[in-house]
Amino acid sequence: KNQVEQSPQSLIILEGKNCTLQCNYTVSPFSNLRWYKQDTGRGPVSLTIMTFSENTKSNGRYTATLDADTKQSSLHITASQLSDSASYICVVGPGGFGNEKLTFGTGTRLTIIP
Amino acid sequence: DTGVSQDPRHKITKRGQNVTFRCDPISEHNRLYWYRQTLGQGPEFLTYFQNEAQLEKSRLLSDRFSAERPKGSFSTLEIQRTEQGDSAMYLCASSARGGASYEQYFGPGTRLTVT
Repeated sequence: KNQVEQSPQSLIILEGKNCTLQCNYTVSPFSNLRWYKQDTGRGPVSLTIMTFSENTKSNGRYTATLDADTKQSSLHITASQLSDSASYICVVGPGGFGNEKLTFGTGTRLTIIP
Repeated sequence: DTGVSQDPRHKITKRGQNVTFRCDPISEHNRLYWYRQTLGQGPEFLTYFQNEAQLEKSRLLSDRFSAERPKGSFSTLEIQRTEQGDSAMYLCASSARGGASYEQYFGPGTRLTVT
């Protein structure tokens, strides 16, 4: 069964600190991995998309890494801000022609405190 | 605003009633996706359209659920005889092209509460 697991489930850090969120997946075949940010009551917003051949991708203070061999990804947030408080969802896109069904993780709930 | 829009944003209904949600994708996006998200979980795929053709439906989409995209632009998701288990956030997303590598842009969602 295709699964995406994220850890930790929740995280609280002080404003200005860095943090790293983890994602493990078992989706096969695999095409790409995405990280989304979802504010409470809103739709997800894309942060990064990486194909299986990419190891890292940055978007401002967000840096995602991917190890397709071990099927692991991480999202590193640098110099956190209060506006970073949200759920961060790891999403895997399948390989194979015509297969467009994304598999979502349950998310990590990040809270930034002043 | 040129993003994906959904209407209504919130819907409270009594068990057994029918509800219909609307999604307007980004203009000229030919792919449109529906997802369901329950509290504390990630979104789950329900169905998707390429233009007006519905190409895939999840097993989650029971006979009480129906989705349409009649002219290849906006889409509607109808739930008949709602049950309390249908309470969730219903998300719509659109994409310019098909394939798992292309960006999906999400709308703000419709929060359904069945009492």
